[in-house]
Amino acid sequence: DAGITQSPRHKVTETGTPVTLRCHQTENHRYMYWYRQDPGHGLRLIHYSYGVKDTDKGEVSDGYSVSRSKTEDFLLTLESATSSQTSVYFCAISDDKGNLGEKLFFGSGTQLSVL
Amino acid sequence: AQSVTQPDIHITVSEGASLELRCNYSYGATPYLFWYVQSPGQGLQLLLKYFSGDTLVQGIKGFEAEFKRSQSSFNLRKPSVHWSDAAEYFCAVDNNNDMRFGAGTRLTVKP
Repeated sequence: DAGITQSPRHKVTETGTPVTLRCHQTENHRYMYWYRQDPGHGLRLIHYSYGVKDTDKGEVSDGYSVSRSKTEDFLLTLESATSSQTSVYFCAISDDKGNLGEKLFFGSGTQLSVL
Repeated sequence: AQSVTQPDIHITVSEGASLELRCNYSYGATPYLFWYVQSPGQGLQLLLKYFSGDTLVQGIKGFEAEFKRSQSSFNLRKPSVHWSDAAEYFCAVDNNNDMRFGAGTRLTVKP
């Protein structure tokens, strides 16, 4: 994977607890994205960032918040996890928003289970 | 509503057989079109893309895809499948920098 590290790789948590997933990149790319992957839905965009402290909502942002205090780190927080947030979460990066599909590079994913 | 549809959730083919994975989209204009592959435990990797021009595009690992405007389709093909092709395949569209993914097709390869 193009210099993208997601942590943790796996997490099991209980309903109502806060959870933070981390995406770290070494490519110095401007754009970072959080997707969730669910059976029957493919990947859906949660939030994205177009620079330090610049973020915006995606298609399925309810229940999630993000922060980007440094170029290399993009954090996804579930303030109070619910079972519907059990999913595989992927971070992606891009150095250009144009022709996005060609320039997205994905991390290996975080499997989150909310019991 | 704008959407990307992969009608087949799961396909099984024998090694050496040909493969076609279907993808249909519903957008007003022709978006940019992509196929990605995801191996177990990995992120998505770009197989090929269509922006304009020749409607038959070649990708990595011997895959190709054909864009058919009249059918709003972008089907992925491979003449002879290898066991290592077993993975999940996603069709995606980039509609003005809004990426949308299909639900995926899981490919199983029989020996």
